[in-house]
Parts: sequence; structure tokens; C-alpha cells
Amino acid sequence: NAGVTQTPKFQVLKTGQSMTLQCAQDMNHNSMYWYRQDPGMGLRLIYYSASEGTTDKGEVPNGYNVSRLNKREFSLRLESAAPSQTSVYFCASSEGPLSYEQYFGPGTRLTVT
Amino acid sequence: AQSVAQPEDQVNVAEGNPLTVKCTYSVSGNPYLFWYVQYPNRGLQFLLKYITGDNLVKGSYGFEAEFNKSQTSFHLKKPSALVSDSALYFCAVRDPNDYKLSFGAGTTVTVRA
Repeated sequence: NAGVTQTPKFQVLKTGQSMTLQCAQDMNHNSMYWYRQDPGMGLRLIYYSASEGTTDKGEVPNGYNVSRLNKREFSLRLESAAPSQTSVYFCASSEGPLSYEQYFGPGTRLTVT
Repeated sequence: AQSVAQPEDQVNVAEGNPLTVKCTYSVSGNPYLFWYVQYPNRGLQFLLKYITGDNLVKGSYGFEAEFNKSQTSFHLKKPSALVSDSALYFCAVRDPNDYKLSFGAGTTVTVRA
């Protein structure tokens, strides 16, 4: 039981490049989330998926797109990376959108130069 | 709108001394409150939650937190800190009728031997 896994762990992009961050969970959770963590700002929600087939914008969605591929997988895409997107990205999951705990992956550290 | 404030960026204590990490919140209704811990280069781990009932909640690794509705606070405490408790601690709040989890900026705890 791996919990929430994320790939890659580290990535360096040049401005304007695109990439997709992958997330998978093996806990049969319905809801999944993408956050970014910046120093002094805590975690901010980018997008979330309450259940398979649905996605909604969070607090900071601009510059990102998401795909809920199936119940297990939720990907985050940067179409044209900008230096302001340099951050640590965390994926999380929960049993449902109103469930108590969210379970977090190990994170992806992204640098955009 | 809901929000969380962690007034201290850093807390430094000696091993064996009591540890307190402060958190105050703002939410329209009765809050769901959470504490998470992040060790270096790791994802967030759930420590404890307050949903309803007894104002003193106990969690993992000997931590506890006290919900104070009149002061809108949810401070994290440990009677005797360990060097291994050194980490980044996040307080979070959620309205029971909303999916959105709002995090504080985090408090870095350093426990010296």
C-alpha cells in the first residue's frame, strides 16, 4: 500500500516549456487535490476533483490544467511554464470531498528558469 | 471566507521542555480544525483533528491540541519535546459544508538537544 505517489520528484524547466505532473493513489479514494507550497504561504489549492469525471478550480488555478484520468490518477499540466510557477507541488486524496483527513504525496519540486 | 493564522514563524525549545505551536482561525460556522507536520523533503502527515466534542484532542506522536471557541484558537501542544519533533507544522481549517481546506503559513519547530 503506497498511499499517494507523485512523479517526478524533481524537475527543471525553461520558461515556456510544458510538462505534466503525475499523481496516483491506491486507497480507493474518491477525491483528489493539487496544492502548491511556497515559503511563508502555506499550501494553496490549485485544482481539485471531488470524484472521477469532475474537476474544479481552487484558489490559484491560472496557468494550470488538470485531468482526472480515472479514480486512481489525477494529473496537473503546465502548458507554458513561468518562473512564478517555481514551487513544490503536492497531490492529496481523501475518501470524499467532505471527508476529514487528506493524505499527501511526497511532492514534486519544480524550478522554472 | 475562512483563514488561519500561525503567528510564529519559528519556535525553538530544548528537548524535554513543553512545546506549543499557536494557531488562530476564522470561519463562518463551526470549524473543522487540523494539524499536519512536514519533515524535510517529505509530504504532509496528519497529526490530529477537532470535529466536535471534547475540546482537548489527542493525536499522533504524543501531540494534543486544545480547541477554544471564544478565542478562536487551536494550539498544538506536547508536554515534553523530542529532537525528532523538529519539523514544519501546519494548522488548517475547513467549513464542514465546504471541501476547501485552508492552511496557515506554517511554523518551523526546532528542538535542541
